[in-house]
Amino acid sequence: GENVEQHPSTLSVQEGDSAVIKCTYSDSASNYFPWYKQELGKGPQLIIDIRSNVGEKKDQRIAVTLNKTAKHFSLHITETQPEDSAVYFCAASKGNNFNKFYFGSGTKLNVKP
Amino acid sequence: ETGVTQSPTHLIKTRGQQVTLRCSSQSGHNTVSWYQQALGQGPQFIFQYYREEENGRGNFPPRFSGLQFPNYSSELNVNALELDDSALYLCASSELQGATEAFFGQGTRLTVV
Repeated sequence: GENVEQHPSTLSVQEGDSAVIKCTYSDSASNYFPWYKQELGKGPQLIIDIRSNVGEKKDQRIAVTLNKTAKHFSLHITETQPEDSAVYFCAASKGNNFNKFYFGSGTKLNVKP
Repeated sequence: ETGVTQSPTHLIKTRGQQVTLRCSSQSGHNTVSWYQQALGQGPQFIFQYYREEENGRGNFPPRFSGLQFPNYSSELNVNALELDDSALYLCASSELQGATEAFFGQGTRLTVV
């Protein structure tokens, strides 16, 4: 089965700095890679996703890059704000089933004001 | 808010008991997946239901079972509870054929004592 590894487990940045979280996956058939933000006491919320036919996607301060050859993808957050503090999860799935995910272990992001 | 609701929000059970958790899907979604999230870990896929049929299962024993109803709401049942079953249980709904994003509920925190 698929194995998704995520690094770092914790990340502390100063407000305004950039944050980068990296994930690797093992199954070359995986073709959909979402990133979820989970705040305390809430369920995961999709913040950005990328499909395997695209190398990069950007949405305002958030971007995701995908390297299919190396089987890794990364989340980039620029101009971080205190409200970005949360736990971030990467995930992978395959086929057209975008609700059968293998998740990474999570990164706790702390943005210091 | 995602439109996916789970009940109850918190639950305490004794080892050996049985528990039923409920999930109401977002309107228009015909697929529900259940995930188990242990403290400090990423969610793990338990199983998925599509149009009232099981559509894939993760590495969980048969004492984890589920149902999906004609209105696409769903139940997760766990028999013979063990201490390690203590976790946040998440459901996520989606439209399988539309290959759209999955929306998560806020979860049910189950504590087994």
